[in-house]
Amino acid sequence: GENVEQHPSTLSVQEGDSAVIKCTYSDSASNYFPWYKQELGKRPQLIIDIRSNVGEKKDQRIAVTLNKTAKHFSLHITETQPEDSAVYFCAAPKTSYDKVIFGPGTSLSVIP
Amino acid sequence: GAGVSQSPRYKVAKRGQDVALRCDPISGHVSLFWYQQALGQGPEFLTYFQNEAQLDKSGLPSDRFFAERPEGSVSTLKIQRTQQEDSAVYLCASSLQLPSGTSEQFFGPGTRLTVL
Repeated sequence: GENVEQHPSTLSVQEGDSAVIKCTYSDSASNYFPWYKQELGKRPQLIIDIRSNVGEKKDQRIAVTLNKTAKHFSLHITETQPEDSAVYFCAAPKTSYDKVIFGPGTSLSVIP
Repeated sequence: GAGVSQSPRYKVAKRGQDVALRCDPISGHVSLFWYQQALGQGPEFLTYFQNEAQLDKSGLPSDRFFAERPEGSVSTLKIQRTQQEDSAVYLCASSLQLPSGTSEQFFGPGTRLTVL
């Protein structure tokens, strides 16, 4: 199975600044790279995903970049807002309908 | 439309009791997953169904854990002789299975199990 590492484990930024979270994976067969956001006491929700045939994807303030050669992908949040505060999980399953092996998570705090 | 629902939302059990947790996936979703999330940790995979077939149960921590989905829709996760270490939030997720398209996993609200 895949082994996913995620850094940093905690991240504090000022409102309006950018936040970057990086994940590395080991299984070269991974082809789907989702990011989940989990607010305290809530369910995980998919916020953005990318497939291996694409190097970058953007959705408003959120973007994900993928480097398949180096086996790492990153989540970029620009113009952070307090409601971005949550735990963010990456994953690297083989397909989009495979079981999700979550990374250890990054706790993001956006300070107003 | 309705999302994934789980019941009960909270369950308190005495050590040694059996519990049954229910998941109602989104109608038409082929795939169903169970995850266990301990406090302060990420969700950990338990088991996976494709319709009524349990294709992967590699994450079940012991033979006290049993899951079923007899008609390919509702699923039940059963834990026998509960132990304190079983205390966690149990999350269910469902998805379509579209190799050529988006197959996002939609999570339910979870069942918080506390074993005393």
